[in-house]
Amino acid sequence: DTGVSQDPRHKITKRGQNVTFRCDPISEHNRLYWYRQTLGQGPEFLTYFQNEAQLEKSRLLSDRFSAERPKGSFSTLEIQRTEQGDSAMYLCASSLDKGQIYGYTFGSGTRLTVV
Amino acid sequence: KNEVEQSPQNLTAQEGEFITINCSYSVGISALHWLQQHPGGGIVSLFMLSSGKKKHGRLIATINIQEKHSSLHITASHPRDSAVYICAVRSYNTDKLIFGTGTRLQVFP
Repeated sequence: DTGVSQDPRHKITKRGQNVTFRCDPISEHNRLYWYRQTLGQGPEFLTYFQNEAQLEKSRLLSDRFSAERPKGSFSTLEIQRTEQGDSAMYLCASSLDKGQIYGYTFGSGTRLTVV
Repeated sequence: KNEVEQSPQNLTAQEGEFITINCSYSVGISALHWLQQHPGGGIVSLFMLSSGKKKHGRLIATINIQEKHSSLHITASHPRDSAVYICAVRSYNTDKLIFGTGTRLQVFP
């Protein structure tokens, strides 16, 4: 197992375009989390899934954001009509159950730049 | 006030120095994590603590649940330790992590 994979690593897009990011968690992990990190700040929670069910969404996740985990394996995060304020690092993490025993494994992130 | 506060925000050290990074939190937690983030962005988990002290190589993490405080120590620091160190807590009433803003450490040879 190669850990949590995120694709792409970097994305530059024009304002108003739609973008989609993918996260492949560790295969036996049933929980998957999305976080957003702006420059100089710690990551902020966006949403998380247990298997295919989306259990919680942050108020940060506006109507332009949608996340899916259709088969309980990989997940996608889509941002529609991107704005410059969406520029950030989008981090994915996975865990076995609630992470209280084995913790969390993070991906390398997708850095989004909206120009 | 953030639920997780770290200090200092920035730290420079000479190779070989003993480093301490502090984390205070204001919520009830089930676990506290220390994470390392290199410039490329990827995050590596260093420690997960719910009580006491853990040691891994030159890294030591301690937590005082009553005082809601944790410290990360690096002994005999090395330039390769240069990174952002982030404290994160998992609170009792949620399954997500709440992160501090990180401490940027630079160790010079």
